[in-house]
Amino acid sequence: EAGVTQFPSHSVIEKGQTVTLRCDPISGHDNLYWYRRVMGKEIKFLLHFVKESKQDESGMPNNRFLAERTGGTYSTLKVQPAELEDSGVYFCASSQLGTGENTQYFGPGTRLTVL
Amino acid sequence: GDSVTQMEGPVTLSEEAFLTINCTYTATGYPSLFWYVQYPGEGLQLLLKATKADDKGSNKGFEATYRKETTSFHLEKGSVQVSDSAVYFCALRSVGGSARQLTFGSGTQLTVLP
Repeated sequence: EAGVTQFPSHSVIEKGQTVTLRCDPISGHDNLYWYRRVMGKEIKFLLHFVKESKQDESGMPNNRFLAERTGGTYSTLKVQPAELEDSGVYFCASSQLGTGENTQYFGPGTRLTVL
Repeated sequence: GDSVTQMEGPVTLSEEAFLTINCTYTATGYPSLFWYVQYPGEGLQLLLKATKADDKGSNKGFEATYRKETTSFHLEKGSVQVSDSAVYFCALRSVGGSARQLTFGSGTQLTVLP
């Protein structure tokens, strides 16, 4: 079974440009999460989808970030326009839907560098 | 709000040395506690977890015990190997309510030398 995949693995862009990150969760996982780690600090929650709906987007830093999950499968995270402080590693995770303790499975991350 | 504080790195050990990475937390109620590991070039992997007080999580020779009285979940291994070199993250997930996200510590880089 394929794990969580993310594309691209690295992205280097200039300030003011737009970047779109993609996450493909494990097949059948209805929960999808985005996190990011900035400058070697803690990994912080950005938002949570249940199928195609945003369950919790309290961690989104500002309106330059837009996440979508059309059809409830893969998700994209767009940053427009990118700023220097957006540099970091963006992780995606997925888990099964349920009320129990469902393990979150993480992708390898996308390293974003904004120059 | 919830928070996790873990031992700052980097940590460098010789092979077969004893490892402890400290982790303490602040949360409402009784959260579930986790250790994740990130090997070079890979994603985060769940290493072990504990869901209630005094539970001990264990995997691959690593152990951590959920200590409610000290709000701690320290990671230990009796004899580390070069292959254990990675970044280790302590995390919690609050129970109750609708929140399902994990709250992480800042990570501890471990390097094991042969």
